[in-house]
Amino acid sequence: RKEVEQDPGPFNVPEGATVAFNCTYSNSASQSFFWYRQDCRKEPKLLMSVYSSGNEDGRFTAQLNRASQYISLLIRDSKLSDSATYLCVVNPPVNRDDKIIFGKGTRLHILP
Amino acid sequence: DAGITQSPRHKVTETGTPVTLRCHQTENHRYMYWYRQDPGHGLRLIHYSYGVKDTDKGEVSDGYSVSRSKTEDFLLTLESATSSQTSVYFCAIRDPGADTEAFFGQGTRLTVV
Repeated sequence: RKEVEQDPGPFNVPEGATVAFNCTYSNSASQSFFWYRQDCRKEPKLLMSVYSSGNEDGRFTAQLNRASQYISLLIRDSKLSDSATYLCVVNPPVNRDDKIIFGKGTRLHILP
Repeated sequence: DAGITQSPRHKVTETGTPVTLRCHQTENHRYMYWYRQDPGHGLRLIHYSYGVKDTDKGEVSDGYSVSRSKTEDFLLTLESATSSQTSVYFCAIRDPGADTEAFFGQGTRLTVV
């Protein structure tokens, strides 16, 4: 099983719709999780951290399921500007906190 | 935005020539990383540093070397550039700790002809 896996997409979603995608991870001792956003030909930037109890930031909701080892990102009322690639990021256990693991990303296209 | 800059931003070089990319940070973060990003592969770790003069290999380190003589600079050298090293290179920085986020430079687009 790969360390971090994401559906590459693309997800083609009409504007205003709700879209969700998941990311699975293999190391049950992983401590922290993030979603990054990457626009075409740009660097990845932090979208939001993922907390154990789930967290929300405006139209974006992130959740963690430790039992099944996945995190999810839900985007409500999608905008054209949400079109991007979304990277799942897993920070390693405390005793090896130097390496971080990136998923390959899920491409999202919001259609007008 | 985090204080991290990469130079050059774009470079075209010939096969067989050495190339050095620079990552400079003003955040005093301990960890620094070099990734390459290619279509279908996502971000792949080349080398990383966990302190001055402390570096380790990533998953795609062949053909690359790094140096970190001071906290703020992390250099990536392609010893003899090949066409397969045509890619976009990203530097990232991060503080120690299981819950710390990484910050990325704007990337260097390298073309080897």
